[in-house]
Amino acid sequence: GAVVSQHPSRVICKSGTSVKIECRSLDFQATTMFWYRQFPKQSLMLMATSNEGSKATYEQGVEKDKFLINHASLTLSTLTVTSAHPEDSSFYICSAYNGGNGYTFGSGTRLTVV
Amino acid sequence: GDSVTQMEGPVTLSEEAFLTINCTYTATGYPSLFWYVQYPGEGLQLLLKATKADDKGSNKGFEATYRKETTSFHLEKGSVQVSDSAVYFCALQRDDKIIFGKGTRLHILP
Repeated sequence: GAVVSQHPSRVICKSGTSVKIECRSLDFQATTMFWYRQFPKQSLMLMATSNEGSKATYEQGVEKDKFLINHASLTLSTLTVTSAHPEDSSFYICSAYNGGNGYTFGSGTRLTVV
Repeated sequence: GDSVTQMEGPVTLSEEAFLTINCTYTATGYPSLFWYVQYPGEGLQLLLKATKADDKGSNKGFEATYRKETTSFHLEKGSVQVSDSAVYFCALQRDDKIIFGKGTRLHILP
């Protein structure tokens, strides 16, 4: 079946540094990918829609300059958390739209900013 | 805006017990409805879905019926197993976006 690989699964970084999270569709091409953020005991909140070859569409309240999204190929989207702060610590999940097969999710990335 | 509300967990049951996880939604029109499951250390997997009113989605012994009168999509299973321990998310689709509930952690005791 369709597989989405998300890397890294866990990352710890220092405040002020940037962290890049990768989301790859392994056996299908995805023109559209999605990035979610999950706070403890809360639902997954859609952050942005990543479109191959064009700018991402951000949800209201999500800082574009803080969360940089690049979707340079049909199988890879990246989320870069820039100048990370402790409040950016969270669980980030990507998903890729696979046409009639629906949405396939990555296994998530636990980001801890210290 | 559109939203999904599901019962808070954790839910702890003994093996072979009957399971219900409640889910209601708020949306204009008739969105597609989903249940996703997240096993420990893994990504979200689609468990079942229903695309129109009165549809019943089913998979792995789980069922959910799209009820437009009550705007609900409750998840049920007649006899749970330890391997069903996971977090379950109710969700709806609006255009190309998935809107999730908060998730319900299910813990099944042997």
